[in-house]
Amino acid sequence: DQQVKQNSPSLSVQEGRISILNCDYTNSMFDYFLWYKKYPAEGPTFLISISSIKDKNEDGRFTVFLNKSAKHLSLHIVPSQPGDSAVYFCAALLSGGYNKLIFGAGTRLAVHP
Amino acid sequence: DVKVTQSSRYLVKRTGEKVFLECVQDMDHENMFWYRQDPGLGLRLIYFSYDVKMKEKGDIPEGYSVSREKKERFSLILESASTNQTSMYLCASSLNRVGGYTFGSGTRLTVV
Repeated sequence: DQQVKQNSPSLSVQEGRISILNCDYTNSMFDYFLWYKKYPAEGPTFLISISSIKDKNEDGRFTVFLNKSAKHLSLHIVPSQPGDSAVYFCAALLSGGYNKLIFGAGTRLAVHP
Repeated sequence: DVKVTQSSRYLVKRTGEKVFLECVQDMDHENMFWYRQDPGLGLRLIYFSYDVKMKEKGDIPEGYSVSREKKERFSLILESASTNQTSMYLCASSLNRVGGYTFGSGTRLTVV
């Protein structure tokens, strides 16, 4: 049973527009969420994170929103650039002191000119 | 620049072989992890370790074992490789709970 779900396997966006990647989770004991970006033949790299006590975190073109009541988070990229084309993974941490990340299946973002 | 290094980028092994995947980190991190990545399934945790000689099963440990004799090195062992273990294997390390993971570049293993 997947605890972290990314229901859109792929997303195509025009350069300069907003990309919105979505993530849902089922476990209310998650207290920290992270987004990773992965290019082919490379390991994932950390992008942005958010604590469950916040509802928004922003870093340059990237903003993550958390809606705890809906158990939903989203990553917004504005403006989208061709170099943003990659697979994006949502991940979550369970409260209780362990740092075992639970990942979603990923969403492949394609930003076209 | 901190690094997690996986010894091989590509491996081809035969069914039934014993396979060793090596991972080394230079960040003095306590925590190390092995994941596999498969299309549509994301990253699934195989094993992790919080300290030297310590190991814990992840979500899909069957057919795998691990070894952590030194803090910087975490090895994944496929006891008898099977075709369903063909995958991308990713090693990661982390300092603390919210520090995030640093991943290696991955090893693409093909079992024939």
